[in-house]
Amino acid sequence: AQSVSQHNHHVILSEAASLELGCNYSYGGTVNLFWYVQYPGQHLQLLLKYFSGDPLVKGIKGFEAEFIKSKFSFNLRKPSVQWSDTAEYFCAVKGGTGRRALTFGSGTRLQVQP
Amino acid sequence: ETGVTQTPRHLVMGMTNKKSLKCEQHLGHNAMYWYKQSAKKPLELMFVYSLEERVENNSVPSRFSPECPNSSHLFLHLHTLQPEDSALYLCASSQDWQGGNTIYFGEGSWLTVV
Repeated sequence: AQSVSQHNHHVILSEAASLELGCNYSYGGTVNLFWYVQYPGQHLQLLLKYFSGDPLVKGIKGFEAEFIKSKFSFNLRKPSVQWSDTAEYFCAVKGGTGRRALTFGSGTRLQVQP
Repeated sequence: ETGVTQTPRHLVMGMTNKKSLKCEQHLGHNAMYWYKQSAKKPLELMFVYSLEERVENNSVPSRFSPECPNSSHLFLHLHTLQPEDSALYLCASSQDWQGGNTIYFGEGSWLTVV
C-alpha cells in the first residue's frame, strides 16, 4: 500500500543542536513533497515543498529538505534548532500512481529544551 | 489568520445528536478538503471537493456527510457518531486539487462524542 513514513515519533533536542527528521514514501511515479509544521495551539502551515528541479529545498525559518529519489526520501534538516522550533512536523506526499490528494505521515513531535 | 475559517472550534455531542461543522475559505480557491486528525495517527483525508463536486471520498462512513454549496463553503454534517470519532477535524483549501498546489489549513474543529 502507498504510505508516508515518519520514523521518529518524538525527538528531544537541546537548543543549537542539529536536526534531521526522516520521511520516506512508497509511491511510484512523479510526486510532490511537502513538510508542514504545527506549533502548539496553531494551525498546520507549510514549511517547504518540492515540485521539481534542485532536490535541496530551502524553506522558512532556516529549514531545508533534500529529495533523494533513489531512496524515496525527503528528510527535513536544520543546522541549529531553537526553543521556538518546538512543534509537530508532518511530511506529506502528493501524487504517485492513482493517488492525487495529499497524504500525510503520522508526524514527529519535536521538543527543544532551552 | 490562514484564510480558512472553521466553526465551531469545539463541539461536544451525544451519539444520537445531529450537528454540522462549517468551513469557509477566503482565498479564491477551487478545491476544499476535510481531514481527520487523531492522536498518534496520520492525518486522514476524508473528502475532496473541486468546484463543488466531490472528487474523492476516502471510504468514510456514511455518518459523516459532506456538503459543498459553493467553492467557498464546505460543511461536514454529523449524525449518530461514535466515541471513536472524537478527533480534530481540519478543513483545507487549495487553488486546485490536481498538481502540487499548497494546501492551506484552518485551525480545526475539536469534536468530542460522548
